[in-house]
Amino acid sequence: QVRLVESGGGVVQPGRSLRLSCVASGFTFSSYDMHWVRQAPGKGLEWVAITWHDESNKFYAESVKGRFTISRDNSKNTLYLQMTSLRAEDTAVYYCARAYNGMDVWGQGTTVTVSS
Amino acid sequence: EIVMTQSPATLSLSPGERATLSCRASQSVSSNLAWYQQKPGQAPRLLIYGASTRATGIPARFSGSGSGTEFTLTISSLQSEDFAVYYCQQYNNWPPWTFGQGTKVEV
Repeated sequence: QVRLVESGGGVVQPGRSLRLSCVASGFTFSSYDMHWVRQAPGKGLEWVAITWHDESNKFYAESVKGRFTISRDNSKNTLYLQMTSLRAEDTAVYYCARAYNGMDVWGQGTTVTVSS
Repeated sequence: EIVMTQSPATLSLSPGERATLSCRASQSVSSNLAWYQQKPGQAPRLLIYGASTRATGIPARFSGSGSGTEFTLTISSLQSEDFAVYYCQQYNNWPPWTFGQGTKVEV
């Protein structure tokens, strides 16, 4: 079945880096654009970044521009989010989502906590 | 940036009742509007896309309507599993892709 599985979250100090991964299965990953979306504790959903299926275009939320980088390896069916210069306000559950008819498939999320 | 505004913030209803949730866009998003359901500790689930098309496996009691700047999600008869938070999201004018702040449907 169609599935997305995130990993790589954890507790990290402010200013440090972290890389999230999202492994896709059950569909042709290389054919789909992919999003990262996050949700701070007790808050709503915030779009973070998107990459086109072939990485020809990438867009970022203003809140992460210049600090986060989205990428993918279609040979490994994997989406990445490299996060640098992390701040307390980046604390959230990070979801990857397939960009089709809105966001039609979501992973279960991985939790990032930025704290000293 | 298109701002999505949902109302009400909380909807208190009983099982079997009809729920009507509203979503307003700060400018036209045509019909490029999706609705998601999120239960505690779970990822969001796509309910409706294209403003009115149910996603695969979504029960017929969920319906969406509207276009332009005004949208509605209706749950015709609330079941116990429908008590959750609902988000609207536009994918017409991007970046960014923007969500509403959510409506909580509670007992």
